[in-house]
Amino acid sequence: EPEVTQTPSHQVTQMGQEVILRCVPISNHLYFYWYRQILGQKVEFLVSFYNNEISEKSEIFDDQFSVERPDGSNFTLKIRSTKLEDSAMYFCASSEMTGEAFFGQGTRLTVV
Amino acid sequence: DQQVKQNSPSLSVQEGRISILNCDYTNSMFDYFLWYKKYPAEGPTFLISISSIKDKNEDGRFTVFLNKSAKHLSLHIVPSQPGDSAVYFCAIQSGTYKYIFGTGTRLKVLA
Repeated sequence: EPEVTQTPSHQVTQMGQEVILRCVPISNHLYFYWYRQILGQKVEFLVSFYNNEISEKSEIFDDQFSVERPDGSNFTLKIRSTKLEDSAMYFCASSEMTGEAFFGQGTRLTVV
Repeated sequence: DQQVKQNSPSLSVQEGRISILNCDYTNSMFDYFLWYKKYPAEGPTFLISISSIKDKNEDGRFTVFLNKSAKHLSLHIVPSQPGDSAVYFCAIQSGTYKYIFGTGTRLKVLA
């Protein structure tokens, strides 16, 4: 069964460092998303991506964040200068034009 | 941003009984509703969905009910099993490009 895969599963980084979180969406999906969940809190929308551009982004997705689809399969989230409050589980998801989004297993980002 | 609310943070149910999880939303323009199940340190897993043209959708032990006039969504699990213990999120597809999640309800099914 096709699935969304995310790497790494856990990333520890120093405050101020750049991190890149990687995702391989389901191959025939057209829409891609990043979400995050701070421990014990709700799953928060960060950004959606369609047709090689950002479709929608939340107020959390400020200039420190960027997304890219560098080739036909990968979808990345970059945080330029990490802060302590960026520590969270980051989930990538993908969907067809309508219907449910399928989520990856997540990357746990720990900023120290 | 409280467009989607799950007012019960937790629920305990005996094995074999019915679990009912509730969700309220604010915007009557929403037209596609989903339930996800989430285990710790894993991504949300899609369970079941319903579009606004229906008021009920069933898949095995899971049934979702939609009451558009009340802007209320519920998930029924019957019979409940210990493996159903997880956090359940309702989600709403807002436009084409975003899913808005509720705060989640932690379900514990007691053996």
